[in-house]
Amino acid sequence: AAGVIQSPRHLIKEKRETATLKCYPIPRHDTVYWYQQGPGQDPQFLISFYEKMQSDKGSIPDRFSAQQFSDYHSELNMSSLELGDSALYFCASSLRGQVGREQYFGPGTRLTVT
Amino acid sequence: QKEVEQDPGPLSVPEGAIVSLNCTYSNSAFQYFMWYRQYSRKGPELLMYTYSSGNKEDGRFTAQVDKSSKYISLFIRDSQPSDSATYLCAMSGNSGNTPLVFGKGTRLSVIA
Repeated sequence: AAGVIQSPRHLIKEKRETATLKCYPIPRHDTVYWYQQGPGQDPQFLISFYEKMQSDKGSIPDRFSAQQFSDYHSELNMSSLELGDSALYFCASSLRGQVGREQYFGPGTRLTVT
Repeated sequence: QKEVEQDPGPLSVPEGAIVSLNCTYSNSAFQYFMWYRQYSRKGPELLMYTYSSGNKEDGRFTAQVDKSSKYISLFIRDSQPSDSATYLCAMSGNSGNTPLVFGKGTRLSVIA
């Protein structure tokens, strides 16, 4: 079965640079979530989109922005990168209205800021 | 205090043992409860999900939810070395597709 696809898988940036992370949800899934997982930490919710509209907002810094496109893929744009932004960034997708609330996660993008 | 508390372990058991993993939570609005397995440097993989209170069984895995005690458990029977991973509990509320709130994860090692 098709899974969530994220690209790139690894990214190395310098401080103050920008980065763009991409997420392609499972086909037919209409909701995308972004999570940040620091070393040894649990995933922290950043932001989510349903049908191309922002649905919920978590602890996303103002330096970050995201959007969902007409084909349901999503991009997380990160500017003025800081050392503390180094983390695993996961995208998850789900189908609104599904009885369960299952979110399926992608393999993640490992961002290293030097 | 975090909304979801989970003992981070590490937990080390011999192959074939029964493993019990637990989480407690404080937010009574949580209705959906999930367990994810995460191998090192990989994405969380959904293992089990339960709605409200009750038990759910899938092969060697059993999930239990006790909403009155705000306590959830995952049992793994006949544990295998391939079960060695970090197990994360996660939960969400009942309005739309709300974000997940995770526990810190328990690192499990099953020794052959």
